[in-house]
Amino acid sequence: TQLLEQSPQFLSIQEGENLTVYCNSSSVFSSLQWYRQEPGEGPVLLVTVVTGGEVKKLKRLTFQFGDARKDSSLHITAAQPGDTGLYLCAGARRDDKIIFGKGTRLHILP
Amino acid sequence: DTAVSQTPKYLVTQMGNDKSIKCEQNLGHDTMYWYKQDSKKFLKIMFSYNNKELIINETVPNRFSPKSPDKAHLNLHINSLELGDSAVYFCASSQDWDSKNYGYTFGSGTRLTVV
Repeated sequence: TQLLEQSPQFLSIQEGENLTVYCNSSSVFSSLQWYRQEPGEGPVLLVTVVTGGEVKKLKRLTFQFGDARKDSSLHITAAQPGDTGLYLCAGARRDDKIIFGKGTRLHILP
Repeated sequence: DTAVSQTPKYLVTQMGNDKSIKCEQNLGHDTMYWYKQDSKKFLKIMFSYNNKELIINETVPNRFSPKSPDKAHLNLHINSLELGDSAVYFCASSQDWDSKNYGYTFGSGTRLTVV
């Protein structure tokens, strides 16, 4: 059973535009992580959110954890070609393994 | 200085062969993992070791056997390889079992192709 749904699956936009991608679940998580994976490499951790409603910023990237800790969003402002990659969310539940979503493949056109 | 290193990066082998993938981390972490990423990029956990002790063993064929000689190493041995085993295998680590909630450090993956 896939517990984490990511949307959209694919997104291709022009450089300079803003975008938001989503990670949704019917389960409550103790934390949620976002990773970016580039071709031929392993996922790299971008951020972990822990508290419901928490907002974290990483330069042009803004991450939000839902109030009920069931969902999260990633907003990118003024996207650049270097933002291209596969964005994965992963949910952690205490004393249980981490579950990964299937990812959003983002392509920024120069 | 690579934090989590896997070898080999690429592995092409025939059906029926036995092969091993090695993983080492120099982060001083207690917990290590093996993940399989299929052609649709879905990451699924296979095994987890905490201080050399097996703590997660997902529904994986018995042909897959992990071995952790010490807490810095977690190797994966696969017997009688099948076409369906073709995938990218990732090793990862976290400071400890609780720290998994704060994120993993992944290796760069081993692309296994069974022909």
